[in-house]
Amino acid sequence: DAEITQSPRHKITETGRQVTLACHQTWNHNNMFWYRQDLGHGLRLIHYSYGVQDTNKGEVSDGYSVSRSNTEDLPLTLESAASSQTSVYFCASKSHMNTEAFFGQGTRLTVV
Amino acid sequence: DQQVKQNSPSLSVQEGRISILNCDYTNSMFDYFLWYKKYPAEGPTFLISISSIKDKNEDGRFTVFLNKSAKHLSLHIVPSQPGDSAVYFCAVIIQGAQKLVFGQGTRLTINP
Repeated sequence: DAEITQSPRHKITETGRQVTLACHQTWNHNNMFWYRQDLGHGLRLIHYSYGVQDTNKGEVSDGYSVSRSNTEDLPLTLESAASSQTSVYFCASKSHMNTEAFFGQGTRLTVV
Repeated sequence: DQQVKQNSPSLSVQEGRISILNCDYTNSMFDYFLWYKKYPAEGPTFLISISSIKDKNEDGRFTVFLNKSAKHLSLHIVPSQPGDSAVYFCAVIIQGAQKLVFGQGTRLTINP
């Protein structure tokens, strides 16, 4: 069965470190997204990609970057982790033909 | 500027009764409206959607209503069951785009 997986599921890192969260989907979807979930804010879009070599900033992109070198993967990099980036991160993918996006199980990141 | 708002952070309903979750939006240029359900430590899962050209869509116990003049979306669950206890997010897809924009979420608790 097709799926979308995130790794790691949990991560603790120190302020100032570079961190990369992985997202891999086997749906062959062109569209991929990264969201963060915080209490009172819901799911906020960080970055998204509509295809290979395409990346776009979302509403909370500062301090984050993504790259899309193939269809399956959209890694999210925190260039220099800050305590404000402690959150739960969700990756999602979606085809052009359907309305719904499919989400991974999330990565809980703690920056200390 | 929050385009999608869920003004009730929480809702408590008795088992067997109707649960009504609400969502308001500010932009008329949305193609689709969706509802997602999220359990703790899991990714959001798609529940039901509605096109902007319709005013109602039904799927089993779940019905979504769209009131375009009021820019209001609601999800009705009837009858409510204990397994419906979760956080519910409404989301919109902007015309011509693929990304989903989410509300803040409403935590629904179904009491036995």
